[in-house]
Amino acid sequence: EDKVVQSPLSLVVHEGDTVTLNCSYEVTNFRSLLWYKQEKKAPTFLFMLTSSGIEKKSGRLSSILDKKELFSILNITATQTGDSAIYLCAARGDSGAGSYQLTFGKGTKLSVIP
Amino acid sequence: ETGVTQTPRHLVMGMTNKKSLKCEQHLGHNAMYWYKQSAKKPLELMFVYSLEERVENNSVPSRFSPECPNSSHLFLHLHTLQPEDSALYLCASSQEASGSYEQYFGPGTRLTVT
Repeated sequence: EDKVVQSPLSLVVHEGDTVTLNCSYEVTNFRSLLWYKQEKKAPTFLFMLTSSGIEKKSGRLSSILDKKELFSILNITATQTGDSAIYLCAARGDSGAGSYQLTFGKGTKLSVIP
Repeated sequence: ETGVTQTPRHLVMGMTNKKSLKCEQHLGHNAMYWYKQSAKKPLELMFVYSLEERVENNSVPSRFSPECPNSSHLFLHLHTLQPEDSALYLCASSQEASGSYEQYFGPGTRLTVT
């Protein structure tokens, strides 16, 4: 059974801190790993990672994938209160039933306090 | 605004009612998805449509019935639901054929079954 595990489940930091969110996965015929940010509404896409060791960056956010160790991290530097959200990790695999099997982790709830 | 809209945003229904959720995407995508998000559980993929054909059905009870009349519209017909079906139902779309797998989510319908 495909599985995605995120850690920590919740995290409280002060503004300006740097945080690292973890995601490990076990999926059949892995294709890609995705990160989303979810506030009080639908998830917003952040990154899609398909290759090991290539860092993707968007402003203060960055992410990298390790396909050998089956994990990804999401880094947020100089955190701001607007970064408070649930960060979801999802792994896409090909289960043979079609190329759309997407398994989500439970998310990491990040709270940034002033 | 992600280009994916859902109506209604909130729905309260009794267990004997029949209702439908609607999703519309304005992004020119050709794949659409229904997800269920329950409290304290990971996002669950329910159905996937590609080019208006259902390609995945993740063991969803028959009281949930999807319909995709064209590539821009997706419905989820509900009948004789149970209280445990109360959740946030999210619609998403993606341009599957491009090889990119970013899914864009709608705002969701908050469903309460009484």
